Amino acid sequence: QKEVEQNSGPLSVPEGAIASLNCTYSDRGSQSFFWYRQYSGKSPELIMFIYSNGDKEDGRFTAQLNKASQYVSLLIRDSQPSDSATYLCAVNSPTGGGYNKLIFGAGTRLAVHP
Amino acid sequence: NAGVTQTPKFQVLKTGQSMTLQCAQDMNHNSMYWYRQDPGMGLRLIYYSASEGTTDKGEVPNGYNVSRLNKREFSLRLESAAPSQTSVYFCASSEVGGGGKVTQYFGPGTRLTVL
Repeated sequence: QKEVEQNSGPLSVPEGAIASLNCTYSDRGSQSFFWYRQYSGKSPELIMFIYSNGDKEDGRFTAQLNKASQYVSLLIRDSQPSDSATYLCAVNSPTGGGYNKLIFGAGTRLAVHP
Repeated sequence: NAGVTQTPKFQVLKTGQSMTLQCAQDMNHNSMYWYRQDPGMGLRLIYYSASEGTTDKGEVPNGYNVSRLNKREFSLRLESAAPSQTSVYFCASSEVGGGGKVTQYFGPGTRLTVL
């Protein structure tokens, strides 16, 4: 079982809709959770981090964390074609990686069509 | 403030050749990392350096060596390149807060092809 799992997609949503990206992780000791956006041919760019159960909002982005279910999600409201990218979920993994290392999922490709 | 810089941006090697990928950061971060990214595989950690003077293996260290030259610089060396090392290589750096609050910032990447 992979330590951080994401659906590879593509997730296709119409412009203006809500895109919902999901991620599950295996290490119950994980404490820090990150979402990176990666445009084709570019490097990953941090867009959200969340440390506590519940929701965290930043502009059009909302990260949701449920540690009991080992589940983290990213919602993108009012999706724009410029949001089309691969979204990487990353988790610190004290058991598998140590406190200062992250385990990355393979990413979900999001396509927002006009 | 350049963040994390990497050189070269592109490189083509023949099997058996050696090369060093350079990485530098100007954010005064203690920790630095080298990843490779292959299609469908996500980012895999090759080596990391928690602080100046220390290095540790990650998930896929075979065929690579690293040097943490000083707090700013962290290099990755391929001693004898193999086609399986064709990949995109990213360097990253982070400061480490309590509870694993390890926000990592990435360089632009090096696209390496081994023929």
